Amino acid sequence: DQQVKQNSPSLSVQEGRISILNCDYTNSMFDYFLWYKKYPAEGPTFLISISSIKDKNEDGRFTVFLNKSAKHLSLHIVPSQPGDSAVYFCAASRGSARQLTFGSGTQLTVLP
Amino acid sequence: GAVVSQHPSRVICKSGTSVKIECRSLDFQATTMFWYRQFPKQSLMLMATSNEGSKATYEQGVEKDKFLINHASLTLSTLTVTSAHPEDSSFYICSASSGLANVGETQYFGPGTRLLVL
Repeated sequence: DQQVKQNSPSLSVQEGRISILNCDYTNSMFDYFLWYKKYPAEGPTFLISISSIKDKNEDGRFTVFLNKSAKHLSLHIVPSQPGDSAVYFCAASRGSARQLTFGSGTQLTVLP
Repeated sequence: GAVVSQHPSRVICKSGTSVKIECRSLDFQATTMFWYRQFPKQSLMLMATSNEGSKATYEQGVEKDKFLINHASLTLSTLTVTSAHPEDSSFYICSASSGLANVGETQYFGPGTRLLVL
C-alpha cells in the first residue's frame, strides 16, 4: 500500500519556465510534508517543507502548496534552471514518529 | 545546513562476507538516525530507526540479524550487512535528525553507500 504517490515518473520543462511536481497521499494522519532533491549516487537534499496547518510555503524559487482536502501537494519551481534537473521525492511524516514515507520520485529535466 | 557523511561511498565484497557502513553527523548531535535502502529507479525504503543508546527499531520484513545497527554515540551510527549475498546489493542511505522538535523535523541525508556483492 503506497501511502505517498508521485504518479509522474518524469517531467521535462524548458529553462525559465515553471516546473510543477505533484504528490498525492492517502494517510490523513500525515501532518508534515517535505520535498527532497536527489542526484544519482548521492543522498537526497532537503529542499522545502510544509506543515499541515499551512497551505503554502515559499523559499526563493521553490514553493510548496498543500491541499489537505484533496490530499495533494505540489512543488513549483520558477524559473526552472538546468541545474534543477534531478529526481524529486516528496515525503510525509506524522506526529512525533519522525519516520518519513517517500514517494517514488519524479525525474525533472530542465532543457536549456 | 546540517552535514551527514557516510563511509565508504562504494564497496565491493564477496558473497558471505560482512560489510560495515558508517554514518556520521558532522555538525550536530543526532538523537535519531535512519537507514534506508534504494533499488534502481525506486523510492527510498526505510529499513530501521536507531536512537542513540538503544536498540534499533526495524521495519517489517527487514531482518535484524542480517542488518545490524549500532548507534553508539550522538554522531555515529553503523549498519553492518552480515553474510552479504548478491541480493543485498543496493544503495544504502542514512539520515539523521537532531530530535529538537517532535513534529516537522527535517532529516538530513548522507551521500549514500553503493554496495555490490559478487
